[in-house]
Amino acid sequence: AQKITQTQPGMFVQEKEAVTLDCTYDTSDQSYGLFWYKQPSSGEMIFLIYQGSYDEQNATEGRYSLNFQKARKSTNLVISASQLGDSAMYFCAMREGISSGSARQLTFGSGTQLTVLP
Amino acid sequence: GAGVSQSPSNKVTEKGKDVELRCDPISGHTALYWYRQSLGQGLEFLIYFQGNSAPDKSGLPSDRFSAERTGGSVSTLTIQRTQQEDSAVYLCASSYDRVNEKLFFGSGTQLSVL
Repeated sequence: AQKITQTQPGMFVQEKEAVTLDCTYDTSDQSYGLFWYKQPSSGEMIFLIYQGSYDEQNATEGRYSLNFQKARKSTNLVISASQLGDSAMYFCAMREGISSGSARQLTFGSGTQLTVLP
Repeated sequence: GAGVSQSPSNKVTEKGKDVELRCDPISGHTALYWYRQSLGQGLEFLIYFQGNSAPDKSGLPSDRFSAERTGGSVSTLTIQRTQQEDSAVYLCASSYDRVNEKLFFGSGTQLSVL
């Protein structure tokens, strides 16, 4: 079974509008972390935002925020006031914890290609 | 530098040759990862080094792939008898070894097997 599912291969949004990118995950662990990365056409992986499984508040970082619904196992990324420079591939990822306190590897979803239209 | 360094940035090789890809992680990071990304695709996990523990090799696609990490720092990914389907960008990342620690990625090695 897929651990991270991103069901939107491509999304379009008008400049200055908000957009939501979907991500669901599958884990039986109690301790895990959820990450979003951006990959522009240059290929670099840029960390955007993090949500811990025990965090009660939704994470926010500037124009990025997460709609974290733990019971539904979803962590959707909301980008407000889209800019042309937001056009990129967006990856959702999960890192599960282990009992010793350290962590497993980061598992990525298949990504969503976001295009911001002028 | 302060970031994750990978070399070479580009590698062109002939089918059947062996290649070595190098990763120099951020100093102090105990965890090191290798991922593979084919054109337009997501990141495929290959191998994960975690401190002094045995590496998680569960993502290596075949026994032609191997990796080592010497002295808890630099890592080398070796692909033997390369095949055309090995062509991809190979990304290395490092982090502290806790659930909430983000990964820092290198700029990758573009491998092309002719």
